[in-house]
Amino acid sequence: EPEVTQTPSHQVTQMGQEVILRCVPISNHLYFYWYRQILGQKVEFLVSFYNNEISEKSEIFDDQFSVERPDGSNFTLKIRSTKLEDSAMYFCASTPLRGGGTEAFFGQGTRLTVV
Amino acid sequence: AQKITQTQPGMFVQEKEAVTLDCTYDTSDQSYGLFWYKQPSSGEMIFLIYQGSYDEQNATEGRYSLNFQKARKSANLVISASQLGDSAMYFCAMREVFVTDSWGKLQFGAGTQVVVTP
Repeated sequence: EPEVTQTPSHQVTQMGQEVILRCVPISNHLYFYWYRQILGQKVEFLVSFYNNEISEKSEIFDDQFSVERPDGSNFTLKIRSTKLEDSAMYFCASTPLRGGGTEAFFGQGTRLTVV
Repeated sequence: AQKITQTQPGMFVQEKEAVTLDCTYDTSDQSYGLFWYKQPSSGEMIFLIYQGSYDEQNATEGRYSLNFQKARKSANLVISASQLGDSAMYFCAMREVFVTDSWGKLQFGAGTQVVVTP
């Protein structure tokens, strides 16, 4: 069964450092997403990406965040200067269609800890 | 405004019993999808079941069924014959299809923590 793959599974970084979270979506999918889940809280939408550009972003997704699909297979989330409050689980997801599909395929998540 | 409301922060259920997890939603979209995910303590999001707004039958997947009441905007998850491995956080989520600024994102509820006891 195809799956979304995220690396690393855990990342510890110092405050102020840049981090890049990596995702390999399912190969024939067209829509890609990043979500965030602060410990003990609900999953929050960060950004959606289609046709090599951001299609929608939430208010959480400020100038410190960026996304890229550098090579047609990877989909990355960069946080330029991490803050303590960026500590969270980050999920990548992909879907074949914008509004259709009976499942949103999530990766297993990257647990980011900012110290 | 909250799009997805899960009013039960936590529930205990005995092994082999059934449990119903509540979910209500708010949308003006005519076409939408409702999802349930399970999140064990390891953190991954496991897809359980999907219900489309135009589906007339309630969705079922093994021991999971979705009690879809469109007029009441509710999509409750029923887990039958609970097992110890069902202990986890459960999230209800919605995807709107035709809302202008929605590009297929999922909107999640706050979750319900289920603990299955022997």
